[in-house]
Amino acid sequence: GENVEQHPSTLSVQEGDSAVIKCTYSDSASNYFPWYKQELGKRPQLIIDIRSNVGEKKDQRIAVTLNKTAKHFSLHITETQPEDSAVYFCAASMDSGNTPLVFGKGTRLSVIA
Amino acid sequence: AAGVIQSPRHLIKEKRETATLKCYPIPRHDTVYWYQQGPGQDPQFLISFYEKMQSDKGSIPDRFSAQQFSDYHSELNMSSLELGDSALYFCASSLGRGGSPLHFGNGTRLTVT
Repeated sequence: GENVEQHPSTLSVQEGDSAVIKCTYSDSASNYFPWYKQELGKRPQLIIDIRSNVGEKKDQRIAVTLNKTAKHFSLHITETQPEDSAVYFCAASMDSGNTPLVFGKGTRLSVIA
Repeated sequence: AAGVIQSPRHLIKEKRETATLKCYPIPRHDTVYWYQQGPGQDPQFLISFYEKMQSDKGSIPDRFSAQQFSDYHSELNMSSLELGDSALYFCASSLGRGGSPLHFGNGTRLTVT
């Protein structure tokens, strides 16, 4: 089955700096890659997703890049703000069929004001 | 917009008791997923349903069972509870299966004493 590795497990950045979180996946058949943000004690919330037919997607301060050949994808947050502090999970699944999302272990991002 | 509704929000049970968690997906969503999240861990996939039929099975213990009803709501039944079952249980729904964004409920925090 799919295995998703996520790095780093913790990340501290100064407010206004950029943050990058990287994930690798094992199943070359996976082609849907969402990112979720989870604040303490709350539900995971989808912040951005990318499919294998594109290499990059951007939404304001958030961008995701995908390298299908290398089987890795990354989340980039620019101009970080204290409210960006949370745990971020990457995930992977196939774009069809019954396969559920497999999550990475998460990255705890702390933005220091 | 309507979101995924889970009940109860909190549940305290003793060892060997049973518990039932309920999930009401977003209207028109045909797929329901159950995830278990321990403290500081990533969500672990338990089981999913598509159009009221079991779709995929993850790390769900034999002591647990689930079903999806004709109105698309789902219930997770947990028997012979163990201390290790204490966790946040999330239900998520999507329109379609693989490759569709998952929308999570606020979760049920189960504490087994």
